[in-house]
Amino acid sequence: GDSVTQMEGPVTLSEEAFLTINCTYTATGYPSLFWYVQYPGEGLQLLLKATKADDKGSNKGFEATYRKETTSFHLEKGSVQVSDSAVYFCALLNYGGSQGNLIFGKGTKLSVKP
Amino acid sequence: NAGVTQTPKFQVLKTGQSMTLQCAQDMNHEYMSWYRQDPGMGLRLIHYSVGAGITDQGEVPNGYNVSRSTTEDFPLRLLSAAPSQTSVYFCASSSTTNEQFFGPGTRLTVL
Repeated sequence: GDSVTQMEGPVTLSEEAFLTINCTYTATGYPSLFWYVQYPGEGLQLLLKATKADDKGSNKGFEATYRKETTSFHLEKGSVQVSDSAVYFCALLNYGGSQGNLIFGKGTKLSVKP
Repeated sequence: NAGVTQTPKFQVLKTGQSMTLQCAQDMNHEYMSWYRQDPGMGLRLIHYSVGAGITDQGEVPNGYNVSRSTTEDFPLRLLSAAPSQTSVYFCASSSTTNEQFFGPGTRLTVL
C-alpha cells in the first residue's frame, strides 16, 4: 500500500540555520504531496503542497519540490526562526483511493534555538 | 467562519465508559474524517465520510462508531473505552481542492 517515510527527529537547529527534512513516498499512480505543520497544542495546518511531478510548493519561506524520479518531497528553508519550532508532517493523497484520505509520515519535531 | 471545531478539548474516562467526541465545520465541506495521533505513529485515519448519510472505515476503526446526519457534524463515539484509546483525536474536513482543515484536537485519557 501507499506509505510515507520521513526523517526521524528531533531536529535541533540554531536560528538562521538551513533546514532540510527528508520525505520519501511509495505510491501507485500520481499522488499529490503535502507538508503539514503542527505548532504546540494546536491542530495541523497545511504548509505547502504539490500536485504533479516537478511542481514546487512554497509558503512562509519553506519549499519542497515533487521529485517523481526519486519519489521524494524534501522540505527546505534557508534560514529558520525560533517561531518555526513545530512538528512537520509529510503526507500524500492518492486519487486512486477514497477522496481526501491522507497518508501521513510519523512527523519530525523541529526545535530552533535562539 | 469558525472552521473546524471540536469538543471537548480534554477528557478523562474510566475503562468501559462511553462518550462522544463532537466535531463540526461551517465551511460546507462534504468530506470529513477522524484521525488519532499517537507518539511516533503520525496520524492514522479512524473513519471518514464523503457526505451526509455516508461513512466508511479507515485504517484503525475498531472500537469507534461514527454517523453523519448533517453536512456540518461528524461525531465520533467510543462505546466502551479502553486504555489503548488514549490518544489525541483530530477531526478534519476537506475542500474541493482536497486541502484538509483540522480542528484543534481532543486529548483523551482512558484509565
